[in-house]
Amino acid sequence: GAVVSQHPSRVICKSGTSVKIECRSLDFQATTMFWYRQFPKKSLMLMATSNEGSKATYEQGVEKDKFLINHASLTLSTLTVTSAHPEDSSFYICSARDWRPGRNSPLHFGNGTRLTVT
Amino acid sequence: QKEVEQDPGPLSVPEGAIVSLNCTYSNSAFQYFMWYRQYSRKGPELLMYTYSSGNKEDGRFTAQVDKSSKYISLFIRDSQPSDSATYLCALSDTNAGKSTFGDGTTLTVKP
Repeated sequence: GAVVSQHPSRVICKSGTSVKIECRSLDFQATTMFWYRQFPKKSLMLMATSNEGSKATYEQGVEKDKFLINHASLTLSTLTVTSAHPEDSSFYICSARDWRPGRNSPLHFGNGTRLTVT
Repeated sequence: QKEVEQDPGPLSVPEGAIVSLNCTYSNSAFQYFMWYRQYSRKGPELLMYTYSSGNKEDGRFTAQVDKSSKYISLFIRDSQPSDSATYLCALSDTNAGKSTFGDGTTLTVKP
């Protein structure tokens, strides 16, 4: 079945540094991927839609210069948290649609990245 | 008012019980209805995917959609301790568009 792989699963960084998170679709091509942020005991908040070969679409209130998204290939999207601050500590999750025939194209999620900024 | 309302629980049931999880929504444009299960510190896992109204069954899981009432449900029969997780409903107006998620219901099935 469809698998979305996310790396790293956990990262701790110092305030002011940048962190890159990778999201890969392992057995299907994904022209669109979605990046979510999830706070403890809360639902997923869509941050941005990553489009292969073009600019990402950011949700209202999400700083595009802080959360850089690059979707350079049909199987890889990256989210870079620049100049991280403690308030950026959160669980970041990516997802992608499987458009193959018979799959009904639901969203499949990676296992998430736990970011802690010290 | 949120577009999707989901009782956060927590919900605790004994093993073998039937569990009913529900979401209500306000946007009549929603046509695609999903249920995800999320274990602690993991990404959501797709359980059920339904288009439009009706019922769908998969093993111990049954999803129901009542578009006239804007109400969706997930039933779990013969619940197991391994079903203990947070269950999220997700709704979308198109097959390619963004999904709107409920806040999730935390379920504990006690042995």
